[in-house]
Amino acid sequence: DAKTTQPNSMESNEEEPVHLPCNHSTISGTDYIHWYRQLPSQGPEYVIHGLTSNVNNRMASLAIAEDRKSSTLILHRATLRDAAVYYCILRRETSGSRLTFGEGTQLTVNP
Amino acid sequence: GAVVSQHPSRVICKSGTSVKIECRSLDFQATTMFWYRQFPKQSLMLMATSNEGSKATYEQGVEKDKFLINHASLTLSTLTVTSAHPEDSSFYICSARDEGAFEYEQYFGPGTRLTVT
Repeated sequence: DAKTTQPNSMESNEEEPVHLPCNHSTISGTDYIHWYRQLPSQGPEYVIHGLTSNVNNRMASLAIAEDRKSSTLILHRATLRDAAVYYCILRRETSGSRLTFGEGTQLTVNP
Repeated sequence: GAVVSQHPSRVICKSGTSVKIECRSLDFQATTMFWYRQFPKQSLMLMATSNEGSKATYEQGVEKDKFLINHASLTLSTLTVTSAHPEDSSFYICSARDEGAFEYEQYFGPGTRLTVT
């Protein structure tokens, strides 16, 4: 599976936008970019995913670089409940549903 | 979104005993479910892929005789930790793919905290 690189931790203030970066320089053409987040002592929660085009949903936006070697998860207005570990994961279409988690980014939201 | 449940949410057992953890997809069918393990302050590690009606596929380094997986129906997969030891204490999480969804959707259970004394 192609590898992703994320900062270990980031901080944000409540009600401000947050941009969480992810590098995936070895991404292949069939790799989807998925984002999940995990609150303490809970299972991961799906946030968003995309292939080539930018994506928006009620939780977040996903901005994908033109060369697809990086992407950014955007939380438009951070709340205290957004404090979690955010995982950027590449899913290869040929490997079916397997998700391989990296270390993720611990997001701290300050009140 | 769809819901995946796990039972029990936490369990304490004595060393040498076996523990069964259930994973259910509540409102969708899943021919494929996944089992992960997570140690404190670490990421999730995929242990195995559970396939309905066939044998599970284990990741490298995971002992299949120790972690028995059964996927007997389209909504239930079980993980049995046999002859548990304190080093098996961990947070076990399952996930299931909603294969009926138009877009790719994989949902995670809330996790089971296993403590072996």
